[in-house]
Amino acid sequence: AQKVTQAQTEISVVEKEDVTLDCVYETRDTTYYLFWYKQPPSGELVFLIRRNSFDEQNEISGRYSWNFQKSTSSFNFTITASQVVDSAVYFCALSARDTGGFKTIFGAGTRLFVKA
Amino acid sequence: EAQVTQNPRYLITVTGKKLTVTCSQNMNHEYMSWYRQDPGLGLRQIYYSMNVEVTDKGDVPEGYKVSRKEKRNFPLILESPSPNQTSLYFCASSRIGTESYEQYFGPGTRLTVT
Repeated sequence: AQKVTQAQTEISVVEKEDVTLDCVYETRDTTYYLFWYKQPPSGELVFLIRRNSFDEQNEISGRYSWNFQKSTSSFNFTITASQVVDSAVYFCALSARDTGGFKTIFGAGTRLFVKA
Repeated sequence: EAQVTQNPRYLITVTGKKLTVTCSQNMNHEYMSWYRQDPGLGLRQIYYSMNVEVTDKGDVPEGYKVSRKEKRNFPLILESPSPNQTSLYFCASSRIGTESYEQYFGPGTRLTVT
């Protein structure tokens, strides 16, 4: 069975602090895809990053960075020097092959509050 | 503009009255999917479709139907809605392939069943 666990329900930080959002996944598939999505207070869902199971390179995009480790089945997301606009719910997701096609499982989300 | 559209955005209905939520994408994506979002549970996949005429169950398919007769459209049908289907629904689409599967979401449909 596939599973995504985001153990942190809510995190509160002060602006300019660094913050890491944890994501642990389970799948028996050898080919799978991991994602992070952002849901700001306005409600839309915004794609942030995709990682393929065969590509363990970490990635940095501006203040965002992602650490993918297959050995620990983790795909953590770090925001450096957080800003108020980073306040949102962040979802980690896993797409892996099911009986038919690629099923997608989302974690429960981590709500991030960044205070000025 | 590349987008996923859903209609209606808000719907209040009564138990048992059949309804359809439409979803359309203009990106020629093969993959389409429906999710429901409930507090504390994240998004849960209802149904997905890898291509025209190909649909599969997600984690919470009970009480829902879908069809994929055209590549761009993927309507969600509630034949006999019940109050436990009150939720926020999102439609999404993506390309299929090694460098793909990131999903683009519609704006959401807030459904209330009384």
